[in-house]
Amino acid sequence: KAGVTQTPRYLIKTRGQQVTLSCSPISGHRSVSWYQQTPGQGLQFLFEYFSETQRNKGNFPGRFSGRQFSNSRSEMNVSTLELGDSALYLCASSRNSGTGVNEQFFGPGTRLTVL
Amino acid sequence: DAKTTQPPSMDCAEGRAANLPCNHSTISGNEYVYWYRQIHSQGPQYIIHGLKNNETNEMASLIITEDRKSSTLILPHATLRDTAVYYCIVTEAGGTSYGKLTFGQGTILTVHP
Repeated sequence: KAGVTQTPRYLIKTRGQQVTLSCSPISGHRSVSWYQQTPGQGLQFLFEYFSETQRNKGNFPGRFSGRQFSNSRSEMNVSTLELGDSALYLCASSRNSGTGVNEQFFGPGTRLTVL
Repeated sequence: DAKTTQPPSMDCAEGRAANLPCNHSTISGNEYVYWYRQIHSQGPQYIIHGLKNNETNEMASLIITEDRKSSTLILPHATLRDTAVYYCIVTEAGGTSYGKLTFGQGTILTVHP
């Protein structure tokens, strides 16, 4: 079974631009979560989507947004990029339908560099 | 904030068992203990989870103390490919934890030849 895929794998942007990252979950998985990983803050939860609805949200500014499509694929968008947004952005999928058992399968991540 | 405490680093000889401890003294009754690892430049990988009983799978064993305030992940025969950051995570079943894993700093396990 194919794993979680993320595109693009690497991205370079400049301050003030916006960026959209894509995630395709494992077939049959309906929950998609996004994380940001930086050397200083570690792995931090951004948000989670299930059945096209955001169910959970981390402590990030409104510049960070996401959505999920009917086929469970998800995108996240960062507007008005700042230098501090340089990070590895990870997507994870899960069969989780509400039982809260968080066995998540992670993609390889998108490495975003903001210049 | 993460609800777990782990040593920042540990070493292990190849072929020996690696025992990674985790303290979670404030764990509540409906919270599970999860272990993930992250090999350099890859996404985290699920290893194992448990509620109160000891668990074993093809990758590792999880030993949870009777009071559930601490646990140990055991890699029975460590290999060089097990060198990674290991995260112990406590998360509740459902509620506000939908899809959310709270990662701490983890333990950097280095397996030596």
